[in-house]
Amino acid sequence: IAGITQAPTSQILAAGRRMTLRCTQDMRHNAMYWYRQDLGLGLRLIHYSNTAGTTGKGEVPDGYSVSRANTDDFPLTLASAVPSQTSVYFCASSPGPDTGELFFGEGSRLTVL
Amino acid sequence: GQNIDQPTEMTATEGAIVQINCTYQTSGFNGLFWYQQHAGEAPTFLSYNVLDGLEEKGRFSSFLSRSKGYSYLLLKELQMKDSASYLCAVSDSNYQLIWGAGTKLIIKP
Repeated sequence: IAGITQAPTSQILAAGRRMTLRCTQDMRHNAMYWYRQDLGLGLRLIHYSNTAGTTGKGEVPDGYSVSRANTDDFPLTLASAVPSQTSVYFCASSPGPDTGELFFGEGSRLTVL
Repeated sequence: GQNIDQPTEMTATEGAIVQINCTYQTSGFNGLFWYQQHAGEAPTFLSYNVLDGLEEKGRFSSFLSRSKGYSYLLLKELQMKDSASYLCAVSDSNYQLIWGAGTKLIIKP
C-alpha cells in the first residue's frame, strides 16, 4: 500500500540520549516535512525538504536535524533528547513544495524522561 | 505575526449540521486547507479553497472569504464517525502551512 511509513510508532528514552525517527515514502513525492504536535497547539514545522539533497528549517528546528539523501527517506534526529521534546511527531509529504495537500505518516509518540 | 484561530471544542447531535469557523492572519495567502484528525491518528485532507466561495464535497462543504480572513467547514447529516478534530491551515506567501490548534468535534446520539 502506497504511503508514508514512520518508525518507531512509540518510544520512551532517557534525556541526553540520541534518537532517530525514520520516515519513508513510496509516492515519489518531492517535498517532505517533519511536524510535532502538542496538546493545545497547532502542528509546528520542525524541518522540511523541497527535494532530495536539500533541507530547510521550520518554525521549531532547535535540537533537531534532518537529512535527505534520496527521494524516499527523511530521517529526523534528536542529538541529545530533552523532556521538552516529548511530543507526537508526524512525517508528511507532498508532490511539490507549493502543493498544500499533505500526506501524513501515522506518527511517532516520543517520551523523554 | 501569523495566526490561525478556531474554537477549541464543539458539540453537536447526530443527524444535525455543524459549522466550524476559522479566522486567519498570515503574510500572504496561497490557499486554505481543512484536515480531519481522529484521536490517535494522522491528519487527512478534507478540502482546499483558494478562491472566495463555497466548495461542496458530499456532506462536507468549505467556504472562504479572503477579504475577511475567514473560512468555515460545514458538516451535514452528522454521523458518530465525524467525531474528530478538524484542523484549519493556511498556505502563506512561501507556501508554508500555518496550522490552527484544531477544533475537537464531539457528536452525541
